This record gives sequence, C-alpha cells and structure tokens, in this order.
Amino acid sequence: DAGVIQSPRHEVTEMGQEVTLRCKPISGHDYLFWYRQTMMRGLELLIYFNNNVPIDDSGMPEDRFSAKMPNASFSTLKIQPSEPRDSAVYFCASSFRGTSGKNIQYFGAGTRLSVL
Amino acid sequence: GNSVTQMEGPVTLSEEAFLTINCTYTATGYPSLFWYVQYPGEGLQLLLKATKADDKGSNKGFEATYRKETTSFHLEKGSVQVSDSAVYFCALSSNTGNQFYFGTGTSLTVIP
Repeated sequence: DAGVIQSPRHEVTEMGQEVTLRCKPISGHDYLFWYRQTMMRGLELLIYFNNNVPIDDSGMPEDRFSAKMPNASFSTLKIQPSEPRDSAVYFCASSFRGTSGKNIQYFGAGTRLSVL
Repeated sequence: GNSVTQMEGPVTLSEEAFLTINCTYTATGYPSLFWYVQYPGEGLQLLLKATKADDKGSNKGFEATYRKETTSFHLEKGSVQVSDSAVYFCALSSNTGNQFYFGTGTSLTVIP
C-alpha cells in the first residue's frame, strides 16, 4: 500500500484566501484523523472520522475550519478565510480498529501551509 | 482523563551514547502505549508499541517497557547513531482505541 497520501505537500497563500488540504487514507482503514503541528502548540488533534462520519470536532479552532469525508478514500480540510496564524504543518492519519479494539495510526507526510 | 507527559528537549548526545527519554501517562482503563518518531520533513512513524502492562516494545535497537505501577513508558537505546536524530513522541490510545493522546515531543540530535 502507498500509505496515507496528502496533497499538496506545500501550500503558500495570502491571507483571506481559501485553502483546501486533501487526504487519501490507507485502503480499508475506518478511522481518519486531522492534526495540526506548530512549534508553539505541538501536535493538536483537529477532528476525526469513523466510517466517514465526524465523531469529534472539538479540536477545530473556529468556524473558519471545516472538514469533510465524502467517501472512505478521501477527506478534505478547508480553511476559509485563511489567516497567518493558520500557518502550520497539517497531518492526516488513518487507522483500522479491527476486532482487537487496538489500532495504530499511520501518518501522511503532511502539508506545510504558509499564510502570508 | 487521558494525557501523556514526556521529557522536555532538546537532547544532544554523542554517537554511541545511551539514550533515555522519559514518558509518563495518565489514563482511565488499560491504554496501549506507543513511541512515534518524526524525521525532518516527514510525518510521524510508529517506532514501537506495547498493549498491556509489563509488555516490552522494541524496534531498531530502541526499547520501552509498559510499567503500570509507575505509569511510565520510557524510551531507551543503548548506543545511538547520527541517523537517530529526530523528534520522538510518546502516545497513548485509550481502551476504546479510537483516539490517540500525544506528548509534546522530544527532539534528539546525535553528533558524530
């Protein structure tokens, strides 16, 4: 398997613009997670899905952020409008819970977002 | 609630030195414990895991033992290499297995 695939790897945009980050999870995985990583705040969970349904979005910073998972093989994280403080590396991860109830998260390479 | 506390960095060691990165946790129930590693410009990769008390996870010369009595999962390596330079994250997964709780990460630099 190719692993979790994120695109783009780098995104530079201007304040006020809409940004869409994309993620393709590992085939067969039933959980998908979006994280944000900054030097100041470390790794933060933004939202996660189970079987394409959002389960916990309490980490989403504000209404400017939205995430969707229209099918099992694709998810987006959108920021509209973007602000300089959104600059960070955004990671997508997926996992398969299985019968053991214990799962391992597999991370994508991340999207480095710079908002000017 | 669930949380992970790990040793503050950065840590700088000479090649072949002994490494310990401390990690303690707070959890309800019986969590699984993990160490992830992040190399520059990459995502997090699973390094090792342990799913129950007294289990020892090991990989690439790294080891960590799940100690329920001290709620700890310290990462150790007997002889580090320059290629081990990375950020290391301790994490736990609750017994429902859905969500991970990550520590703040510890940056390790190994110098020749």
